[in-house]
Amino acid sequence: DSGVTQTPKHLITATGQRVTLRCSPRSGDLSVYWYQQSLDQGLQFLIQYYNGEERAKGNILERFSAQQFPDLHSELNLSSLELGDSALYFCASSVGTGDGNTIYFGEGSWLTVV
Amino acid sequence: QKEVEQDPGPLSVPEGAIVSLNCTYSNSAFQYFMWYRQYSRKGPELLMYTYSSGNKEDGRFTAQVDKSSKYISLFIRDSQPSDSATYLCAMRMTGANSKLTFGKGITLSVRP
Repeated sequence: DSGVTQTPKHLITATGQRVTLRCSPRSGDLSVYWYQQSLDQGLQFLIQYYNGEERAKGNILERFSAQQFPDLHSELNLSSLELGDSALYFCASSVGTGDGNTIYFGEGSWLTVV
Repeated sequence: QKEVEQDPGPLSVPEGAIVSLNCTYSNSAFQYFMWYRQYSRKGPELLMYTYSSGNKEDGRFTAQVDKSSKYISLFIRDSQPSDSATYLCAMRMTGANSKLTFGKGITLSVRP
């Protein structure tokens, strides 16, 4: 168990809908990352937050947004869902953002769009 | 060309075999190199972490980095059925941008 908690574990929703994925980082970790894993693209970095502020942005669609709250938990919001958004979404956390930081992954939220 | 390339596999070996997993990369700014292991429908777990070029050994696992060739390897000695999983290489640059760039992963099956 990495200590990173993600909910829900599984989610099935229809095209056009909106969902929110939730992540609690490991105790003491200030940095949160979101990744998307699909069969054809592998693990793709979406976005990173550090202590409530956005730090880096990857291949995140405009339909997706995220935030990190004062208690350090984070949410990833996915809207106007399309079939191609079906994937495993991982949250990860680390203590800081600098060199030598180990990044720990949660178990993922499996999203199926039908 | 993708920044990180990894043999797609899958790879099947008999128990006790030595396994060699490899990745190549194009961005010479990468300084930190990692191998993650991912069991089916689980989150990736960090297996090995190496800075710059050189070797690192941990039990049956050895990670090698050759920055001049932009090539990293993971060796698994005396492979066990419990090693059956997907192995992903990952790397990142120095500095505050800790974004990891992953290879697509290779699925390893160790046959008893």
